[in-house]
Amino acid sequence: DIQMTQSPSSLSASVGDTVTITCRASQIINSYLNWYQQRPGKAPKLLIYAASSLQSGVPSRFSGSGSGTDFTLTISSLQPEDFATFYCQQSYTTPLTFGGGTKVEIK
Amino acid sequence: QVQLQESGPGLVKPSETLSLTCTVSGGSISGDYWSWIRQPPGKGLELIGYIDYSGSTNYNPSLKSRVTISVDTSKTQFSLKVNSVTAADTAVYYCARYRDSGYYFDYWGQGALVTVSS
Repeated sequence: DIQMTQSPSSLSASVGDTVTITCRASQIINSYLNWYQQRPGKAPKLLIYAASSLQSGVPSRFSGSGSGTDFTLTISSLQPEDFATFYCQQSYTTPLTFGGGTKVEIK
Repeated sequence: QVQLQESGPGLVKPSETLSLTCTVSGGSISGDYWSWIRQPPGKGLELIGYIDYSGSTNYNPSLKSRVTISVDTSKTQFSLKVNSVTAADTAVYYCARYRDSGYYFDYWGQGALVTVSS
């Protein structure tokens, strides 16, 4: 199985900050990398697919980059509704696997 | 707008079978893959498996021996069975659409908490 490792596992930030979350795959996955946001008690929501494509309806302050094994999710100008847990997920090969999550908390 | 809704018992006894159904509305289930994903309390996400319209399945090897996913196209429903459950199977179970054209999960159900306890 491809292991997806996210860092950090948690971070504290303030409204208006820029936040970067990293995801590393245990082998090359080209650009088959998706990002999800999960608010407490809710289902995950797709933010970014194919490493850098913004899902329809997602604010442009979310962006993704990377290819191969290293990927980043950047949130510019953090908003109150952005405090949540973020997961990366590889769709290069089965079994599809998720990272362990990064919890973004209010400082 | 595609919507998914999980249904089934919230409490299952150890060694018994967990059964959940996902009802899809607002769209067809032909095309794409229909998935089950679970999340133990306070933990991350784990894909259980998925099925397509024809009934072709793909299971996570870690659960394959205990899992069955089936589809009822006439009712636009798909179902999950996990047998011989233990406390480790306690989780929120989500159904989701895995988009065949983009390789991502774009629509999710709200989730169903299933607790394994006697």
